[in-house]
Amino acid sequence: KQEVTQIPAALSVPEGENLVLNCSFTDSAIYNLQWFRQDPGKGLTSLLLIQSSQREQTSGRLNASLDKSSGRSTLYIAASQPGDSATYLCAVRGGGSNYKLTFGKGTLLTVNP
Amino acid sequence: NAGVTQTPKFRVLKTGQSMTLLCAQDMNHEYMYWYRQDPGMGLRLIHYSVGEGTTAKGEVPDGYNVSRLKKQNFLLGLESAAPSQTSVYFCASSHSGVSYEQYFGPGTRLTVT
Repeated sequence: KQEVTQIPAALSVPEGENLVLNCSFTDSAIYNLQWFRQDPGKGLTSLLLIQSSQREQTSGRLNASLDKSSGRSTLYIAASQPGDSATYLCAVRGGGSNYKLTFGKGTLLTVNP
Repeated sequence: NAGVTQTPKFRVLKTGQSMTLLCAQDMNHEYMYWYRQDPGMGLRLIHYSVGEGTTAKGEVPDGYNVSRLKKQNFLLGLESAAPSQTSVYFCASSHSGVSYEQYFGPGTRLTVT
């Protein structure tokens, strides 16, 4: 059974700092990995999706990497801003006809002005 | 282009009552999903559909039924609500194909007393 772990559970940083969020998964036979952002009381917003054949994806100040063999992904946020404060969720999709996304429990990020 | 919408946004039910949650998407996505999100448990897949007229069980299907009569709509039903079904329910949709990137609705907060 796939398990996804996100460390740390919470992170507080001053504005302007670069930071890394970690995601690990137990079964390396994944189809892709998706990073989401969730604001309080809101739905999930897709940030980046990395296919199993890719090593990284970038969007603006965000960079996600994937090391499938070791079961790890990182989300790098450059020059953090208070508006980045949210919960960040990592989810992996299994291979083959397994349509299921398995989610981690998230990292609650607070960026202080 | 509204994306994924959910109706209602909030609902309070008494134990034993029934209700239907409606999810609609205007992106012509083939796949649709229902998740529940609980504190400390993360998001878990309830049911999903890979096309009009088809549905399948996810990780936590007991106590729920679904229907996909039209491609753009996915309904989640609770026949006899229980307090354990108090949760936030999210609908998502995705294309079939290369990425299966999932797009989420804003959620329905359900309380069963």
